[in-house]
Amino acid sequence: DTEVTQTPKHLVMGMTNKKSLKCEQHMGHRAMYWYKQKAKKPPELMFVYSYEKLSINESVPSRFSPECPNSSLLNLHLHALQPEDSALYLCASSPLGRGGRTDTQYFGPGTRLTVL
Amino acid sequence: AQTVTQSQPEMSVQEAETVTLSCTYDTSESDYYLFWYKQPPSRQMILVIRQEAYKQQNATENRFSVNFQKAAKSFSLKISDSQLGDAAMYFCAYTSDNDMRFGAGTRLTVKP
Repeated sequence: DTEVTQTPKHLVMGMTNKKSLKCEQHMGHRAMYWYKQKAKKPPELMFVYSYEKLSINESVPSRFSPECPNSSLLNLHLHALQPEDSALYLCASSPLGRGGRTDTQYFGPGTRLTVL
Repeated sequence: AQTVTQSQPEMSVQEAETVTLSCTYDTSESDYYLFWYKQPPSRQMILVIRQEAYKQQNATENRFSVNFQKAAKSFSLKISDSQLGDAAMYFCAYTSDNDMRFGAGTRLTVKP
């Protein structure tokens, strides 16, 4: 089973709202990721949770906040977003290969976020 | 810094024909992984094929195969007997350590 699930599929929120995106995998993978993808562009890495340690892309604004309650779950908390944050948010998980390297990433179906 | 370049923004192929998508990358690492992912309009990123850099043999998965040239840092994808369902955006990706780098993507159209 190579399934990564994401909820919700679609989310519309105002700039003053607080919402959360959820990602879950049951493949025993040791690394999980959040990506932001704009239309016709490749995914951009936001956060990595690997070996129980969080790595942050420094260009990601603080209005995005990841949380890893356990090794199967990765949440993304959203607060005071801007219209330019509207995008597809993809979650992925991967086993770790030789030397702890990221191996194949398995992606969820994504959450389409619209910020009004 | 590692970069991945896909020089073909769009490609088109006739159904049942063969098409090759190009990808080059830049790295100083000797051990890494390379991938091709497909993203149809339904938006989920699907793994097409995976190559380990230390393996000389080119990876194949049914109608999909790669031409991996490590010295030239080239990793092209060949799709044989193209089908309508192959129409999608294709991303070449490189990973070493904790980071996956994607190319800009190639949009493939399949004509009936």
